[in-house]
Amino acid sequence: EIVLSQSPATLSLSPGERATLSCRASHSVRSHLAWYQQKPGQAPRLLIHDASNRATGVPARFSGSGSGTDFTLTISSLEPEDFAVYYCQQRTDWPLTFGGGTKVEIK
Amino acid sequence: EVQLLESGGGLVQPGGSLKLSCAASGFSFDMHAMAWVRQAPGKGLQWVSAIHAGGAITYYADSVQGRFAISRDNSENTFYLQMNNLRAEDTALYYCAKVLGTSNWVFDSWGQGALVTVSS
Repeated sequence: EIVLSQSPATLSLSPGERATLSCRASHSVRSHLAWYQQKPGQAPRLLIHDASNRATGVPARFSGSGSGTDFTLTISSLEPEDFAVYYCQQRTDWPLTFGGGTKVEIK
Repeated sequence: EVQLLESGGGLVQPGGSLKLSCAASGFSFDMHAMAWVRQAPGKGLQWVSAIHAGGAITYYADSVQGRFAISRDNSENTFYLQMNNLRAEDTALYYCAKVLGTSNWVFDSWGQGALVTVSS
């Protein structure tokens, strides 16, 4: 099973600041990594697939990068609606796995 | 607009059974793989099961293999998760999710979830 480790567990930032979230895989997932955003009481929302491709309707301030085992989700300038939990997910191998999540909270 | 609506959740005793349904609309259901993902209270996301568009190929997490069965009825735009021999650790909000493309195995649309509580 491919284990995804996300860091930090919590990121405390102010609106307008840049957020950098990390996801590290125990084995190479090539570029087969996705990022999701989840707000309290809501279902997850796909942000990025295949490491760097924004999903339909996702604002340009969200960007993804990386390949192999190290990936980054960057939010260039935090908006109030961006404070949420973010998960990465790999689709290279079964079972599909998610990271443990990074909570982006208001400082 | 894609819509996914789960039903069938509830309270069940350990060892019991439950069947979740997910009614889909707004897209060509028979062209997309589908999946179930769960989230235990206060925890992260865990993939549970997935099924190819035609229904012939299925996948399961080790923790549910042999106890859960995924299926679909493309004529009804609905897919299912039959859960047997339920355990306390199966308690979670179960989301149905649509796979991006035919079998990209990332999830671009999600339902609002069906709560399954396993307790005596």
